[in-house]
Amino acid sequence: DTAVSQTPKYLVTQMGNDKSIKCEQNLGHDTMYWYKQDSKKFLKIMFSYNNKELIINETVPNRFSPKSPDKAHLNLHINSLELGDSAVYFCASSPQARLAGYTFGSGTRLTVV
Amino acid sequence: AQSVSQHNHHVILSEAASLELGCNYSYGGTVNLFWYVQYPGQHLQLLLKYFSGDPLVKGIKGFEAEFIKSKFSFNLRKPSVQWSDTAEYFCAVRGNNNDMRFGAGTRLTVKP
Repeated sequence: DTAVSQTPKYLVTQMGNDKSIKCEQNLGHDTMYWYKQDSKKFLKIMFSYNNKELIINETVPNRFSPKSPDKAHLNLHINSLELGDSAVYFCASSPQARLAGYTFGSGTRLTVV
Repeated sequence: AQSVSQHNHHVILSEAASLELGCNYSYGGTVNLFWYVQYPGQHLQLLLKYFSGDPLVKGIKGFEAEFIKSKFSFNLRKPSVQWSDTAEYFCAVRGNNNDMRFGAGTRLTVKP
């Protein structure tokens, strides 16, 4: 019954590897997001997808590529992982209406060693 | 571009003390305002939100926030904090372009 689910919850990997984080929402929301939370708890938006179209692409390295096969899924693929990619990545979704807040997933803690 | 400032990085209170966390935003248009809470090791949860109407908004767990348009502020308050309120608190702004920007967060530590 989880509204926004992310997998995996923890991911430990070596530098240079390629990894993916999956996100699915069952709320029927139109828009999905990826946020990165660093060690100081700062939340930075990375990507936003509205009905399978990218509408925000903040200045993140092109090693990060979001993929949305349908509006219920937004996956994040990361190539050539670096130490600085270590963070907690949160997926979120929202309806179109601006009044609505975001519903967040439980986060994926990525550790690059 | 919209931005959000949270003045307090870390607040330490004793149980039963009153809480006020500051939040100021910068945006030229109509905004929606939010406060989220992140308990240790957990994801963000919505505490309360403001869109229009009564500037005093009541949320869950006894929290409230007041929107003061002239000051571009949306401060979070609670009359009496509990140990279980220990968490990170984020103010957020959502503008016309539909994306949400978060402040840097305020860590609240409540001592039993």
